[in-house]
Amino acid sequence: DAGVIQSPRHEVTEMGQEVTLRCKPISGHDYLFWYRQTMMRGLELLIYFNNNVPIDDSGMPEDRFSAKMPNASFSTLKIQPSEPRDSAVYFCASSSNRDRGQPQHFGDGTRLSIL
Amino acid sequence: GDSVTQMEGPVTLSEEAFLTINCTYTATGYPSLFWYVQYPGEGLQLLLKATKADDKGSNKGFEATYRKETTSFHLEKGSVQVSDSAVYFCALTYSSASKIIFGSGTRLSIRP
Repeated sequence: DAGVIQSPRHEVTEMGQEVTLRCKPISGHDYLFWYRQTMMRGLELLIYFNNNVPIDDSGMPEDRFSAKMPNASFSTLKIQPSEPRDSAVYFCASSSNRDRGQPQHFGDGTRLSIL
Repeated sequence: GDSVTQMEGPVTLSEEAFLTINCTYTATGYPSLFWYVQYPGEGLQLLLKATKADDKGSNKGFEATYRKETTSFHLEKGSVQVSDSAVYFCALTYSSASKIIFGSGTRLSIRP
């Protein structure tokens, strides 16, 4: 089975530019999560969706961040305008609610560097 | 609120040494407990899990037992290998519909 697929794997851009990160969850999974990982803060949950609907976006840092899930097989995380402090590794994860304790499956992440 | 506390790293061991990484949790209910592993440049992978008290999760020679009385889920391996070098995260969740609460991670380095 294909796992969670994220693109791009690496992104380097200048501050002020728009950045779009993409995620394809595992087929059949009905939950999708976006995380950010930094040395200072560790893993932070930014937002998660259930059946394409945002459930909790309380972790989104500020209005410059937005996330969408137009269908069950695709989600985007957008930063506009980007700032150097947004540099981090961004992970997407998906899961299924079919049984208790089903773990989240993570993609390999997008390493974002804002210059 | 719920939280996970794990031992600070980095932890450096020689190959074939015994490994313990401590993890304790605070929970308002009865969560499932996990250990995830992150190899360099990769995402987090589930290493093992336990869904109720006294369950033992095991995988690749690693073990952890869900201890409700001590609210702990310590990770152990009898003989580590260089390939075990990674960052290990202890975590809890109530369901796949819930947020996962992660510990801060413990970096493990194994010397040949």
